[in-house]
Amino acid sequence: GQSLEQPSEVTAVEGAIVQINCTYQTSGFYGLSWYQQHDGGAPTFLSYNALDGLEETGRFSSFLSRSDSYGYLLLQELQMKDSASYFCAVSLFSGGYNKLIFGAGTRLAVHP
Amino acid sequence: GAVVSQHPSWVICKSGTSVKIECRSLDFQATTMFWYRQFPKQSLMLMATSNEGSKATYEQGVEKDKFLINHASLTLSTLTVTSAHPEDSSFYICSARFDGVGTDTQYFGPGTRLTVL
Repeated sequence: GQSLEQPSEVTAVEGAIVQINCTYQTSGFYGLSWYQQHDGGAPTFLSYNALDGLEETGRFSSFLSRSDSYGYLLLQELQMKDSASYFCAVSLFSGGYNKLIFGAGTRLAVHP
Repeated sequence: GAVVSQHPSWVICKSGTSVKIECRSLDFQATTMFWYRQFPKQSLMLMATSNEGSKATYEQGVEKDKFLINHASLTLSTLTVTSAHPEDSSFYICSARFDGVGTDTQYFGPGTRLTVL
């Protein structure tokens, strides 16, 4: 079956750096995405890694190691508005279709 | 950027009735849309993959006769919850897949909160 693991909660202070790890065990994998979701809202796309290495988008960076089945999301210069849930999601080709399977999510709380 | 809308944003219905939720990609064509269900403080669970012009593909454990999906055009997919019961109360979110080179991005609608009394 498919499984993803990420920490359930992370706490940090404004201005700090936080890394959220994600390990996965899947078949048909071809990419790792990260999504942000505020309470009551819809998930918003943050980043996508298909190849090994680091992708940087402003204050957010994402890393993938396919050989280790591991990735992480790095958030720099944390702001209060970054308090949200962060989901890693694997892109799979399964049963003839492409689909996303989400991890359980990491709740990030940013404090002053 | 890519925008996906959902309608209605919330609905309250009586047990036994059917509810239809619409998902539209507003500024791009989506051959593939997805329907998810999310309980409070939990992850998004993929219910089904909706493909334009063909039958939807349901995930294991999802009743296709209860959750009817129709992908009538490249910009519209609908989910109908038939004979709704209180246990169907949940947050339903659709997404549309943007097919681009080197990317595999899904853009999500704002979600529909269904409450079945």
